[in-house]
Amino acid sequence: EVQLVESGGGLVQPGGSLRLSCTASGFTFSRNAMSWVRQAPGKGLEWVSSISGSGGTTYYADSVMGHYADSVKGRFTISRDNSKNTLFVQMNSLRAEDTAVYYCAKNLATGGDDIFDIWGQGTMVTVSS
Amino acid sequence: SYVLTQPPSVSVAPGKTARITCGGNNIGSKSVHWYQQKPGQAPVVVIYDDSDRPSGIPERFSGSNSGNTATLTISRVEAGDEADYHCQVWDTSDHYVFGTGTKVTVL
Repeated sequence: EVQLVESGGGLVQPGGSLRLSCTASGFTFSRNAMSWVRQAPGKGLEWVSSISGSGGTTYYADSVMGHYADSVKGRFTISRDNSKNTLFVQMNSLRAEDTAVYYCAKNLATGGDDIFDIWGQGTMVTVSS
Repeated sequence: SYVLTQPPSVSVAPGKTARITCGGNNIGSKSVHWYQQKPGQAPVVVIYDDSDRPSGIPERFSGSNSGNTATLTISRVEAGDEADYHCQVWDTSDHYVFGTGTKVTVL
């Protein structure tokens, strides 16, 4: 069974750091790009970051709903350990606006472009004093 | 930045047809994907590349895309279709862009 399991969420103070993990099973992890997508309480989905299968290429959201000041670029770092089938995101300088459920997702190339075909159950990150 | 606009809510009676729109500048030139998200659950792809259905998704789900609007159509709506629906595209500047989301309520 193809499965993604996130961990590492929790309560953190503004300005603090957190590292999320996502353990994959049921598919060849190293052959697939992976992504983090988040969802603030009561809000829509927001793409955060993606990484290629080899880990050599990374992408980050430059803005949040058009607001560049809320970008994760420069604060979040995505990485992966293909030997352990695990995806990570290191989140620094956390803000209240980063409060969300963070989903790990597997990318699948289609005829058009990538879709997120498999999702984890999500892990909640709360940034509050 | 590229923006996708969806109606906040759509209500439909069982057995009827629900149409959920996703508006974006020249969205017809992009591939549109649709995700269904039930309360407390992770999203699931229901339509990809404008109109293709993953295996296991009922034929009642269909999609179209032209001009500045993409549409997800749910025919013969069932109570189990009640969920949030999100459209998504790839943009060369913003990478992966999601719509604002639409809550479908089955009356």
